[in-house]
Amino acid sequence: TQLLEQSPQFLSIQEGENLTVYCNSSSVFSSLQWYRQEPGEGPVLLVTVVTGGEVKKLKRLTFQFGDARKDSSLHITAAQPGDTGLYLCAGADAGNMLTFGGGTRLMVKP
Amino acid sequence: DAGITQSPRHKVTETGTPVTLRCHQTENHRYMYWYRQDPGHGLRLIHYSYGVKDTDKGEVSDGYSVSRSKTEDFLLTLESATSSQTSVYFCASTGLQASGELFFGEGSRLTVL
Repeated sequence: TQLLEQSPQFLSIQEGENLTVYCNSSSVFSSLQWYRQEPGEGPVLLVTVVTGGEVKKLKRLTFQFGDARKDSSLHITAAQPGDTGLYLCAGADAGNMLTFGGGTRLMVKP
Repeated sequence: DAGITQSPRHKVTETGTPVTLRCHQTENHRYMYWYRQDPGHGLRLIHYSYGVKDTDKGEVSDGYSVSRSKTEDFLLTLESATSSQTSVYFCASTGLQASGELFFGEGSRLTVL
C-alpha cells in the first residue's frame, strides 16, 4: 500500500487568510485527486491532476501536482467560511487503485 | 451526481452480532467500493468490486465480507461485530476506470457496544 501523508492535519484560520495543504508520498502516482467532505456527507471530487507539474485552478483554489508526481498541494486564497471542511487527497497507483491521505480538517472563522 | 444510497444511515449494535450495510447505485457503474473512515486515517479501503460477483480485498478487510449479486447493489457484512469496527462506512462507485472520479454515498455510522 502506498502511503500519502497530508499536512497539516488541522487548520483553523480567519476569513480572508491564505492557506496551503500538502499531500506527500515517496511513491509515484499516475494521477492525484482532491476531495472535499462536509459533515454528514460523503467526499466530493474537486479536481484530478495527471501530469507532473500540472497546475489547475478552481476559483480561489489552486492545485499543483509535483514534477515527480509524488506530491501535491492545494492553495486557497482569501479563505471563506464556506471552505470549511475535510480535504482529502487520493493517489492512483499503477494498478489504478486509489490510496487516500489522512485528510486536513479546515475551519475558516468569520 | 451519481445516485448512491446507503442503508442504514445509523446503527447501534452489540459485540458479536452480525451487521449488513447496503449500498445501491443507479448509475450502472462497474466499480464499487466500501471504505471506513476514522479520525486521522482518512478513508481506508475494505473491499471493492469490479463487476457482478467479482470482488477483492482492500487494506483493512479482516472481519468483513462483501457480495455483489447485481450491478447496482454492494453489500458489506460484519459476521461478528467488534468494538474496533465502530466507524463511519462509505460506499463509492465509479464507472470509467478504477482510478476515476469516485461518487460517494452519505455514509453509515456504525457503533458497536
